[in-house]
Formats: sequence, structure tokens, C-alpha cells
Amino acid sequence: AQSVTQLDSQVPVFEEAPVELRCNYSSSVSVYLFWYVQYPNQGLQLLLKYLSGSTLVKGINGFEAEFNKSQTSFHLRKPSVHISDTAEYFCAVSALNTGGFKTIFGAGTRLFVKA
Amino acid sequence: ETGVTQSPTHLIKTRGQQVTLRCSSQSGHNTVSWYQQALGQGPQFIFQYYREEENGRGNFPPRFSGLQFPNYSSELNVNALELDDSALYLCASSEGRDIGRTEQFFGPGTRLTVL
Repeated sequence: AQSVTQLDSQVPVFEEAPVELRCNYSSSVSVYLFWYVQYPNQGLQLLLKYLSGSTLVKGINGFEAEFNKSQTSFHLRKPSVHISDTAEYFCAVSALNTGGFKTIFGAGTRLFVKA
Repeated sequence: ETGVTQSPTHLIKTRGQQVTLRCSSQSGHNTVSWYQQALGQGPQFIFQYYREEENGRGNFPPRFSGLQFPNYSSELNVNALELDDSALYLCASSEGRDIGRTEQFFGPGTRLTVL
């Protein structure tokens, strides 16, 4: 079984400042890692994913994430945030379990960008 | 290309009733996954259907059941509704059986309130 922990429930940050949203996971098998964004009253949109290869993954809207296997982390970063980045961000882990693939989401981190 | 659509957008039911939620997958996608997102939490995986067969299930009781049709649209049925079933129900479609590796495209969700 796998689990996901998003270490911060809320992250306030000023516009144009850098931001890091933290995600740690645990799993007994190989995993695939994802970050999704959810704007108010909308479904989830994929920001980026790590399947294999380079541990630094670049996504949409200037976001990137680094897979660290030894620390079982997949933190999301952006060097300069905009007001429009205000949203809920979810880290997700997907792995093959008995009975098929399961995707587990973290509880989410609310990013609030202030002017 | 039509995205993932869900109906209805909102629904109010009382305890003990039954409900059916519907999802139309994105064109070309043959896999549908359903998630429950309680207020302030991340999505919880309910189950996944690939080509009309269940292909993975989360920790939800049997009163949560589903169907996938030949056109790959899907239904989520919940019997004997409980107050804790109040949540946003998200449908996601993807291509291929291996949802761990492919991007899932989410619909806007159905907000279910159980009184």
C-alpha cells in the first residue's frame, strides 16, 4: 500500500516570490508521481508527472518538481508565483496493487498568492 | 475534442436513498476512474473501469458500484446513502489500462449533499 503526505495545508506567499510545496510518499513498490492543481469549482488539472528518467520534471505554468528517491519526496517548486496561481495543489502517487492500479492523493496544499 | 463531462452538477438526497451519477469520458479514452472528494480533503479513489470491466477498487463498501458502457461513458451508483457520502464526486478519463502512467483528465465533478 502507498500513502502521500503533503506537509503544509496552507502556503501564503507574495506575488513574484518563489514557492515550494512539499510532498512525501511511502510505498513498498515502484511508484509514479503526479502534481495536480484544482481551481475553485473545477476539476483537477495535471501540472506534471514523474514516470522514470530525469529526476527533475518540468510542467505547465512554470512549475517543476524533483523526485528524490532516498528521501521519498516529490516537492513542487515555482521560482516566481502569480496571483493566478492561487489554487489547491494535490500530490498523487500511483502504483500497481493487488487488484489493479490505485492512485492515492494527498490532502492538498492551498497556495494563496498575495499582491 | 470534448472534455470530460459529468451530470448532474449538484444533487441533494436524503439518508437511505439511492443516487446515480454520470460521466462522459473524453474522446478516445477507454478508462474511467471515480473519486470522492470530501470538503477540505484530497480525492479518494473509488474504482476504475477499463473497457467495461472493473480494473481496480479503493476502500469503499459494496454499496458503491459502477458501470462502464460500450461508448466508455460511466455511471457511479451509491445505495443506502449516508450523511458521510456528502462530497464532490470526480470522474477522470484516460487512455489505456495502465492509469499509473497516463494522464487522467478530470471532469468538474458532481456535488452530492445528503441530508
